[in-house]
Amino acid sequence: AQSVTQPDIHITVSEGASLELRCNYSYGATPYLFWYVQSPGQGLQLLLKYFSGDTLVQGIKGFEAEFKRSQSSFNLRKPSVHWSDAAEYFCAVGAQGGSEKLVFGKGTKLTVNP
Amino acid sequence: DTAVSQTPKYLVTQMGNDKSIKCEQNLGHDTMYWYKQDSKKFLKIMFSYNNKELIINETVPNRFSPKSPDKAHLNLHINSLELGDSAVYFCASSPPNRRYKSDTQYFGPGTRLTVL
Repeated sequence: AQSVTQPDIHITVSEGASLELRCNYSYGATPYLFWYVQSPGQGLQLLLKYFSGDTLVQGIKGFEAEFKRSQSSFNLRKPSVHWSDAAEYFCAVGAQGGSEKLVFGKGTKLTVNP
Repeated sequence: DTAVSQTPKYLVTQMGNDKSIKCEQNLGHDTMYWYKQDSKKFLKIMFSYNNKELIINETVPNRFSPKSPDKAHLNLHINSLELGDSAVYFCASSPPNRRYKSDTQYFGPGTRLTVL
């Protein structure tokens, strides 16, 4: 069965600092991988996704993520964090081959200090 | 605006009542979903419909019944509400994918259900 682990429940960074949010997945075949962001009281917004091809994917708001099959990881990065990036970040994995089921990690809450 | 919309945004009700949450998408997507987000922010899929046909039904109590009158709408009806049903419920939709059945899921703003 698919599973996603986000090891960091809460991360605090200073504005302007770099950011890396970790995500490890468990799935037998090549996965679909997603990062979503949820601002307080809002729905989920897609930041980026990986289906195949180039393992470094660019997303919105200056985010990128790198798929590393050998480490079963899909970590999210941003070189310089803005105060507006404070939110909850969710990594998700979907199965290929016709399954519509997304399995989410438990999320990482990002706090940005001025 | 093109989007996934849900009504109501907030729902406060007594235990034992029956309530419905409506979801509409005008993105032309074929597949729609319901997710439950608990108090710890954990998101879990409940149901998925493709072209009005149920394709995913997770281990959800049968007090929860999804209904899809057409492929743009997926409503969630909950009977005999319990305290543990308090959560945020998200609707989502996804377009068809040429190689696979579905693609990126787009989420609605959520409905916060509080059962007293």
